[in-house]
Amino acid sequence: AQKITQTQPGMFVQEKEAVTLDCTYDTSDQSYGLFWYKQPSSGEMIFLIYQGSYDEQNATEGRYSLNFQKARKSANLVISASQLGDSAMYFCAMREPLYNQGGKLIFGQGTELSVKP
Amino acid sequence: KAGVTQTPRYLIKTRGQQVTLSCSPISGHRSVSWYQQTPGQGLQFLFEYFSETQRNKGNFPGRFSGRQFSNSRSEMNVSTLELGDSALYLCASSPDSNTEAFFGQGTRLTVV
Repeated sequence: AQKITQTQPGMFVQEKEAVTLDCTYDTSDQSYGLFWYKQPSSGEMIFLIYQGSYDEQNATEGRYSLNFQKARKSANLVISASQLGDSAMYFCAMREPLYNQGGKLIFGQGTELSVKP
Repeated sequence: KAGVTQTPRYLIKTRGQQVTLSCSPISGHRSVSWYQQTPGQGLQFLFEYFSETQRNKGNFPGRFSGRQFSNSRSEMNVSTLELGDSALYLCASSPDSNTEAFFGQGTRLTVV
């Protein structure tokens, strides 16, 4: 069965330092998409970054980058130069191809990141 | 470009009542999916609509239903509310089912 695993329930990082949030996934499909979302205490799910399974380059969006290691089935999020506003819950998610489960997003359990001043 | 709009933001309902939640996707997006988020179960998929057709449904009882209109706006309905239905309900909008998904701010439903 398809699954996303985030092994870090909570993490602390010092302001201005980089932090890596771990995510591993399990799927038998060759075509899939990987996502990271940020959820502050307000509840809104904010899209951060996307990586397609056929993309050869790691995705980057500003201070966010996705370290995609296909053979290891990992999709870690790297946040550079952490800011106090980065404190939130972070979710890794996988989207399966349309022919299987119609594009459903499967989420991990999340990692709560706290940035210390 | 406006984002995904969910209304209402907060709801308090009594057990046994029914509720309708609304989601307006990003303009031009034809796929709308719904998720339930609870502290115990995390984020769980409810259903996905594309061009007014339900293409996929999660493992929820028949009390949970939805629909999508021709303008891509979607509604979900929960009938005979139970205490366990208290959750944050999130709607996601996509151009199609294989691309990025953008979420609304959610509707926080409390059943008392």
